[in-house]
Amino acid sequence: LAKTTQPISMDSYEGQEVNITCSHNNIATNDYITWYQQFPSQGPRFIIQGYKTKVTNEVASLFIPADRKSSTLSLPRVSLSDTAVYYCLVGAGGYQKVTFGTGTKLQVIP
Amino acid sequence: DAGVTQSPTHLIKTRGQHVTLRCSPISGHKSVSWYQQVLGQGPQFIFQYYEKEERGRGNFPDRFSARQFPNYSSELNVNALLLGDSALYLCASSSGQEGAEAFFGQGTRLTVV
Repeated sequence: LAKTTQPISMDSYEGQEVNITCSHNNIATNDYITWYQQFPSQGPRFIIQGYKTKVTNEVASLFIPADRKSSTLSLPRVSLSDTAVYYCLVGAGGYQKVTFGTGTKLQVIP
Repeated sequence: DAGVTQSPTHLIKTRGQHVTLRCSPISGHKSVSWYQQVLGQGPQFIFQYYEKEERGRGNFPDRFSARQFPNYSSELNVNALLLGDSALYLCASSSGQEGAEAFFGQGTRLTVV
């Protein structure tokens, strides 16, 4: 399974756009890139998933360059409730096991 | 539609005891995975089941076992509990199709004293 590297922590002011980049240099051809959000003492919550180029949903965008060796999660206009740990995962999904890294702890400041 | 449900939500056990944790996946999902999350760390993979068969096992001792039932619900069993087994145990369900995302339950908080 491809190993991922993310910043350990980030701070952002409320209302700003936040970009969290994840490196996954040995991503496999059939691997997807998935981001999860986790609040303390809760299960991770799916945010967004992509394979290549750009994916956008109602809460975030995911940018994936052509070589797929990295990806960037973009959260527009963050609020205090976006303070959480964000995990980048790489894998084939489905019934394949999911491996979490250390995650990025995002602190939104008023 | 109900999400992934786990029971119990909290549990306190004594060292050496046995514990059974339960998980009901989202209706229609055939894959269930179990994770252990120690405070301050990311979830660590324990087991993955698909169509009632074990498809993956993480680096955990044999004290940890699991099974999946015909209705796709699952149990995680831990024998001879140690203080270090105290953690949040998470269950995730997926359709099993390639690229399908996993949906997590709220977890079971196990405290071993």
